[in-house]
Amino acid sequence: NAGVTQTPKFQVLKTGQSMTLQCAQDMNHEYMSWYRQDPGMGLRLIHYSVGAGITDQGEVPNGYNVSRSTTEDFPLRLLSAAPSQTSVYFCASSYSPLLETQYFGPGTRLLVL
Amino acid sequence: AQKVTQAQTEISVVEKEDVTLDCVYETRDTTYYLFWYKQPPSGELVFLIRRNSFDEQNEISGRYSWNFQKSTSSFNFTITASQVVDSAVYFCALVGGGFKTIFGAGTRLFVKA
Repeated sequence: NAGVTQTPKFQVLKTGQSMTLQCAQDMNHEYMSWYRQDPGMGLRLIHYSVGAGITDQGEVPNGYNVSRSTTEDFPLRLLSAAPSQTSVYFCASSYSPLLETQYFGPGTRLLVL
Repeated sequence: AQKVTQAQTEISVVEKEDVTLDCVYETRDTTYYLFWYKQPPSGELVFLIRRNSFDEQNEISGRYSWNFQKSTSSFNFTITASQVVDSAVYFCALVGGGFKTIFGAGTRLFVKA
């Protein structure tokens, strides 16, 4: 099993550009989520999904879109990148966030100039 | 609203000292889960422990131990005889009935040889 994979590992964007951060898991997990990690603020939940076709907002959803067309994939889209979105982004998945730990991807480091 | 507070931003100890990392949480859910994760300098998130709200038994795993007290809404983590390899950022997290995971800001632990 590859676990949770994220691409790219590192990305530089200019303000106003759009991009999609990819996340995939091969563990047949229903629950997937996106977090951003900023210094001194821990991880903050952006969006999450409890199954294909179902998504919901987390703590900091503004500026981000998600969709979940398959169980395996959960892409995060930045519509118009801003410097405030410079961060490290983690994708995670689990069978259930209550019943077991979430498995985290290696992260994507994003720099918006 | 749910909240996790890790009041200790950074802790520095000398190898072989014991160290306790504090975690205080707030939630209105009667069923919830608490987690501790470790983030070493390499950046990945490593699961350490999960505890549900109905199980207040303390737990020991090797040099690690956890003290869960519902009366004070605390879930503290102690490392006994710390080692340099314990140097990392440690996060406490809370998951309630809404499946949203709330992380604390993290405590950075430095263990000096």
